[in-house]
Amino acid sequence: AQSVTQPDIHITVSEGASLELRCNYSYGATPYLFWYVQSPGQGLQLLLKYFSGDTLVQGIKGFEAEFKRSQSSFNLRKPSVHWSDAAEYFCAVGVPDKLIFGTGTRLQVFP
Amino acid sequence: DVKVTQSSRYLVKRTGEKVFLECVQDMDHENMFWYRQDPGLGLRLIYFSYDVKMKEKGDIPEGYSVSREKKERFSLILESASTNQTSMYLCASSPSNQPQHFGDGTRLSIL
Repeated sequence: AQSVTQPDIHITVSEGASLELRCNYSYGATPYLFWYVQSPGQGLQLLLKYFSGDTLVQGIKGFEAEFKRSQSSFNLRKPSVHWSDAAEYFCAVGVPDKLIFGTGTRLQVFP
Repeated sequence: DVKVTQSSRYLVKRTGEKVFLECVQDMDHENMFWYRQDPGLGLRLIYFSYDVKMKEKGDIPEGYSVSREKKERFSLILESASTNQTSMYLCASSPSNQPQHFGDGTRLSIL
């Protein structure tokens, strides 16, 4: 069965520090992969997507993610976190038009 | 920009009531989706639709139904609301094989 695992429920970083949020998926075929961000009280905003091609994808707000087929992973990274990045982050796999979501990682940023 | 509009941000209803949640998108997308979001569980798919008058069950359809009479509108119906349906409800739309765009959500409380 398809599934997405985000092993970190809550991460705290200092402003300016680098960030990596982990995501592992289970899916039999080549996946469509997504990262979404949700600010408090808001809906989800697409950060980036992977459909095919270059395994390092760039997104909005300075985020990037790398697809590693051998590890079934799609980790999200940012070299320098800003206080405005505090939010909840969701990884998802497309099967293909439906989305299976992970349970989310809440990011807290200290000044 | 794609606009997905959910009719209410906050809604309070009583057990046993019939509840309607409305969602409208303005980009002529084929696909529309209803999710519920609960802490620690991420987003779970309730129902989705690939076309007018079409509906498909998601992962947790029990206690819900949907209606799609027009392409731009997708309604979620709680036939007889219960307290365990208190949740955040998110609507999304997408073209085929493209990322989903989300509304801001409806926080529903059933008393």
